[in-house]
Amino acid sequence: TQLLEQSPQFLSIQEGENLTVYCNSSSVFSSLQWYRQEPGEGPVLLVTVVTGGEVKKLKRLTFQFGDARKDSSLHITAAQPGDTGLYLCAVGSARQLTFGSGTQLTVLP
Amino acid sequence: EAQVTQNPRYLITVTGKKLTVTCSQNMNHEYMSWYRQDPGLGLRQIYYSMNVEVTDKGDVPEGYKVSRKEKRNFPLILESPSPNQTSLYFCASRLAGVREQYFGPGTRLTVT
Repeated sequence: TQLLEQSPQFLSIQEGENLTVYCNSSSVFSSLQWYRQEPGEGPVLLVTVVTGGEVKKLKRLTFQFGDARKDSSLHITAAQPGDTGLYLCAVGSARQLTFGSGTQLTVLP
Repeated sequence: EAQVTQNPRYLITVTGKKLTVTCSQNMNHEYMSWYRQDPGLGLRQIYYSMNVEVTDKGDVPEGYKVSRKEKRNFPLILESPSPNQTSLYFCASRLAGVREQYFGPGTRLTVT
């Protein structure tokens, strides 16, 4: 059983649609990060959430940390082909970062 | 430009032939780490280093070695590669006490 379960595993949508992807766990975390990975590149940090219930916005992307700090969601409004990529959530300590297996998002023009 | 570099980017080798994947960062980061990425399994940590001469095992260290003789470099060594080490490898670094990790572009390794 993975520490972080991400869903859906794959998502293919049309340009302009909205979508939400999820990162769930039975454990409580002090913070959680979201990364995006594009083909042929390493993951790039999008956001870190630290407070239960926290909502952070990054242009068309809205990130929420669950009240109990066990889960998080990423909502994309009016998706564009440039949003295509692998979205990874991660939690960690000073020593180690543990990733979920990711959601592969494809936005079709 | 602040970056993490890895070499080679692509490598095809045979079982048992020792290889080294280099990783270098120019951001004076204390912490460096190696991950492997496999379909359906996500990124799994192999080894990490909190600073020069300080290294420790991650989740999947078997078959790998690392060294941290200089702050900027953190090579990954496969003494006797096996086909189950075929994977996409990423090096990452960050400042101590800061959450954000910077990843290299990846090394795709195939062991036949």
